[in-house]
Amino acid sequence: AQSVTQPDIHITVSEGASLELRCNYSYGATPYLFWYVQSPGQGLQLLLKYFSGDTLVQGIKGFEAEFKRSQSSFNLRKPSVHWSDAAEYFCAVASLPGAGSYQLTFGKGTKLSVIP
Amino acid sequence: DSGVTQTPKHLITATGQRVTLRCSPRSGDLSVYWYQQSLDQGLQFLIQYYNGEERAKGNILERFSAQQFPDLHSELNLSSLELGDSALYFCASSVAGVGGSPLHFGNGTRLTVT
Repeated sequence: AQSVTQPDIHITVSEGASLELRCNYSYGATPYLFWYVQSPGQGLQLLLKYFSGDTLVQGIKGFEAEFKRSQSSFNLRKPSVHWSDAAEYFCAVASLPGAGSYQLTFGKGTKLSVIP
Repeated sequence: DSGVTQTPKHLITATGQRVTLRCSPRSGDLSVYWYQQSLDQGLQFLIQYYNGEERAKGNILERFSAQQFPDLHSELNLSSLELGDSALYFCASSVAGVGGSPLHFGNGTRLTVT
């Protein structure tokens, strides 16, 4: 069965510092991978997605992620964090358990705090 | 704004009761998904519908049921509620229920069972 591990429950960075959020996945086939962000009281917003091709994908709000098959990882990065980036970040892997069926399995999330 | 609308935003009810959560997907999206988010379990997939048909089932309790109507809106029914059912329930939609389709989430319904 597919699974996603986000090893860091909570990360604190200073504004302007670089950021890397870790994500490891387990899936038997070529994965479809996603990063979502959730601000307090809000739903999940898609940051970026990986399907195939270039292993470095660009997303919204200056985020990027790199797919590394050998490490089963899909880490999220941002070169310079802004205070507005404080939120919870979720990595997800898609699976197709049957004909016409589709679901995303999410990690437990990493809460990002930003120090001014 | 994701285009996915969930009502109500908040719901407070007592144990043993039944509630209905409603979701309107983005215009053009045929697939609807329900997720439960709680502190201890995280985001748990409950069920997927595609164009009115159930397509995938996750960790959905027998006390819970869902359906997608011809106009593509969906309802999640929770019955015989227990304290542990208190959670944030998200609806999401996608164009199709196929690999690679990103899900677009609503803002959720916060259910509190007292």
